[in-house]
Amino acid sequence: EVQVVESGGGSAQPGGSLRLSCAASGFIFSSYWMHWVRQAPGKGLVWVSRINPDGSSTNYADSVKGRFTISRDNAKNTLYLQMNSLRVEDAAVYYCVISLGSSRGEDSWGQGTLVTVSS
Amino acid sequence: DIVMTQSPLSLPVTPGEPASISCRSSQSLLRSNGNNYLHWYLQRPGQSPQVLIYLGSNRASGVPDRFSGSGSGTDFTLKITRVEAEDVGFYYCMEALQAPVTFGQGTKLEIK
Repeated sequence: EVQVVESGGGSAQPGGSLRLSCAASGFIFSSYWMHWVRQAPGKGLVWVSRINPDGSSTNYADSVKGRFTISRDNAKNTLYLQMNSLRVEDAAVYYCVISLGSSRGEDSWGQGTLVTVSS
Repeated sequence: DIVMTQSPLSLPVTPGEPASISCRSSQSLLRSNGNNYLHWYLQRPGQSPQVLIYLGSNRASGVPDRFSGSGSGTDFTLKITRVEAEDVGFYYCMEALQAPVTFGQGTKLEIK
């Protein structure tokens, strides 16, 4: 069974840091693009970042560029999101997504991990 | 960035009746390979989103055939032939043509 499980969410102060992890299983992790998508409380879905299968190419939303870093460890089947200089507006549920927008309809989403940012 | 605009944003529907959601993109999502890079997702209450339709008109695995997607270029539609109680939630269109990937605002489908 294809599965991704996020962890690392929690509370941080503005200007602080958090590192999210996403443990993948049930598929060949090293073959797929991986994405982070977030959803603020009561709001819609917002794409955050993506990384290609071997980790050599990354993209970011303008709102997080320079502050967040996506990475992956294919040996550990794990995706990461290092979040620095956190802002109140970064508070959201962060979803790890396999192959978002797949041309074969193979998208699969984790259950999400909640990040709160407040002083 | 591509802007995705959905309508309506709220959709009350009587069970057994049809429903339709429109999604427009600020630029064409049609590539030279003939694919429209437009996808539809449903987020049921308290759940993660799941893909319903990919590349504009293809039902994802396990999605009931009462769901269908159509359109090309900049105008797309999601249709439900007969709404059931389990269809309540937020529907999002999403373009996957380029980074950054962008979503529509979401349409809340509720049962009358």
